[in-house]
Order: sequence, then structure tokens, then C-alpha cells
Amino acid sequence: DTAVSQTPKYLVTQMGNDKSIKCEQNLGHDTMYWYKQDSKKFLKIMFSYNNKELIINETVPNRFSPKSPDKAHLNLHINSLELGDSAVYFCASSLGLAGVDTQYFGPGTRLTVL
Amino acid sequence: QKEVEQDPGPLSVPEGAIVSLNCTYSNSAFQYFMWYRQYSRKGPELLMYTYSSGNKEDGRFTAQVDKSSKYISLFIRDSQPSDSATYLCAFKAAGNKLTFGGGTRVLVKP
Repeated sequence: DTAVSQTPKYLVTQMGNDKSIKCEQNLGHDTMYWYKQDSKKFLKIMFSYNNKELIINETVPNRFSPKSPDKAHLNLHINSLELGDSAVYFCASSLGLAGVDTQYFGPGTRLTVL
Repeated sequence: QKEVEQDPGPLSVPEGAIVSLNCTYSNSAFQYFMWYRQYSRKGPELLMYTYSSGNKEDGRFTAQVDKSSKYISLFIRDSQPSDSATYLCAFKAAGNKLTFGGGTRVLVKP
């Protein structure tokens, strides 16, 4: 019974392609996130949704578009993939917005753009 | 100056030694101070958090915050090979955005 799950786990694709990563959480949380972790292990937030509403939208190319069909799902669609998009993408969820608000991370999707 | 600085390591210690990790930060608005542990090819998991200066202990782990120096530390006593992982400091101001350090890779050798 995985708390935060992502599919696929690995994604290898050619430059210029469009791809999607899916995320689901079964924790009953209201807030979900997408993070990018580059080869140097820096973990940077990209987007955050609270109750299906976008609340954090960092400086990310508009080729990246998140979609939250419901509170339990947050998908990430990437258009026209570039070499620099190669990274591990983590989905996370948390109960809400206040306080420490522990974020629970998924296992990651390792994207390689050739 | 980067918002968060963390030595990437790797930090190699023998089993049973004390592991000492630290981060410096520049943003005075940070209110919550966290340490995440990330095993290879896994997502980060919250290890400890605190919101005030001073020490907080949890088993073999001690988190220390010095707000005046903008410096946080994590100590792992009696380190075990299972502690081998990357440790990321994380900070939160108001709102729910976390700012992470780059992580320190720790290797505990049996």
C-alpha cells in the first residue's frame, strides 16, 4: 500500500518528444508537489497544488504543465523535451499548508532525454 | 550567495562513529528547519524538524539550530551501515515551499 506512487519509474525518450508522468497519493492529503532533482542532487520545487488549485509555480519553462484532475492525483506533462530536462522528478504530498507540514515523497521518475 | 549551502561530501566514517552534518542559510524568513534522508534511488523522507534555536533529540539523531549564525546541524551517534544515505537539509518560510540544500552523501563502513 504505497503512499505516494509515480509512473513510470524510468522514462527514456528522444529530444522533441512530449511525455507525461503520473502521480497518485492515497494519504488523503490536500496538497501535492512536483520537484526536480538534477544530477548534483539539488532538489527544487516546480509546482504545488492545494485542493486542485495551483499555489506554487516556480520559474519553470512553460513546456512543463501540471494537471490535477482531483486531490489525489497530480500529473506532469512535458512538451518538446530537451536534453536539460534529464533529471529525477519527484512527486510529493502533504496534509495542508501550515506549520512543518511533512511532505511525503514518491519514489521518483528518472527521465533521460537523448 | 546561495540561499542554502551544504557540503556535498562524501563523508565516510567507520561504524559506531559520530556523523556531523551541517548547513548554512541566508534567508532570515526561514521558520522551520528540517533534515531529510534519501537512500539511493528513493525519494527523500523526513528525519527530523525543529522551529526554534537549540537542540532536539530523537534516538541516535540530534538536530541543532543556531538562528543567530544561520547554521543548522545534524548529528548521528553510533552510526550504522544502514545510515548510509544522502542527507538533505530543508527550510521553510511562511507558505509551503521547501528550500533544500544539495545534500551530503554519508557512507558508514562496517
